[in-house]
Order: sequence, then structure tokens, then C-alpha cells
Amino acid sequence: GAVVSQHPSRVICKSGTSVKIECRSLDFQATTMFWYRQFPKQSLMLMATSNEGSKATYEQGVEKDKFLINHASLTLSTLTVTSAHPEDSSFYICSARDLAGSTYEQYFGPGTRLTVT
Amino acid sequence: AQKVTQAQTEISVVEKEDVTLDCVYETRDTTYYLFWYKQPPSGELVFLIRRNSFDEQNEISGRYSWNFQKSTSSFNFTITASQVVDSAVYFCALSEARHTDKLIFGTGTRLQVFP
Repeated sequence: GAVVSQHPSRVICKSGTSVKIECRSLDFQATTMFWYRQFPKQSLMLMATSNEGSKATYEQGVEKDKFLINHASLTLSTLTVTSAHPEDSSFYICSARDLAGSTYEQYFGPGTRLTVT
Repeated sequence: AQKVTQAQTEISVVEKEDVTLDCVYETRDTTYYLFWYKQPPSGELVFLIRRNSFDEQNEISGRYSWNFQKSTSSFNFTITASQVVDSAVYFCALSEARHTDKLIFGTGTRLQVFP
């Protein structure tokens, strides 16, 4: 089946620093990847849609200058949390849609737990 | 507006019991898709099922079954003879045909199955 990986799985950083999270589709190509955020014991909220070769589309209320997204290839999207603050601590999950597969199914990565101290 | 409601925050059962997780959705679209995902303690989301709005047939897959009722806007999920490995958070989600990329998740139901 389709596999999506994320790196790192956990990261702790100091307030004010930037953190990059990678999302890779391992055995398929994905023109579109999605970034979600999940607070403890809460639901997943879509942050942005990442399109290969073009700018990401951000959901209302998500600061694009704070959450930088780059989708440089058909198998890699990165999310950079710039000048991180403790309130950015969360579980970040990416998903990818298989270019050749089902139109509507998204394959999810294992998530990255970010803690900002 | 689109919305997914999972009224059950937590459910605890003993192994071999049957359990039903409720999901009620709201949408103005006539074409939409409903999903169930499982999130075990490790965190990754596991796809369980996708159903389109024109297919109201109930589905069974092993110990899992789904009951889609458009009349009540519900898409309930039943696990028969639950097992400890079923312990996880289960999310119901909706996407509308005109925004197929956007998955709207419910708040999830945490299921704990005790031996």
C-alpha cells in the first residue's frame, strides 16, 4: 500500500527557533500533499494544501509567513515553523494523494510531535 | 456549512463486546464522501472506509461494519466482538465533491477495549 513518511517523528526546540518537518511519499508520486495540525485530544485541522511546483493554499486563520510550505518534488513537501513559540506545540500530520490512484483517498504520515520550550 | 459530529468522546468496553461509534454529518452538497479513520496510540491515521453519498448500502469488512443513513445524516461504525487491538481514536470525516481535497474531521471517539 501507499506509504507516507515524516521526519522527524519528534522534535523539541527553543522558542524563537525554526523547525523543518519533511513529508515524503515513499512508493508513489503526489502532486498534492496536505498539512494538518492536531492539538491533544482534539481533531485534525487542515492547515494548508501543498501543490508541487506552486504556492501552497492556506486555510483561513493559518499564517503563511509562520508556516512555510515548500513542495519541491512529487515526493517531498516540507513544513517550516518559523520563530516557533510554545503555542505552536502540536502534532503535525501530513497526507498525500496518489497521482495515479484513487482521486479521493489521502494517505497519512505518522505525524511529527513538536514541543516548543 | 459542513460539519461532522461525533458525540461520543470516550467509550470503554470489555473484549468481545460489540460497540457502535456514532457519526452525524451536515452538508448542503448532494455529492459528498464520508470516511472513517483509526488513530492508534502511535499516531498515524489508518484509512478504514470511504463511502460516496449515492451509495447507501451498508458495508461489512470482517468485524467492521458501517451503516449509512442519508435520512438521518448518519454514518455509524460498528465493531463486532471487539479486541484490545481495536483500542484507538476513531475519526469520521466528510469531504464535499466541490472540495474533494478538504477533509473535515469530527472530534473523534476514543475507544478503550479492556481484556
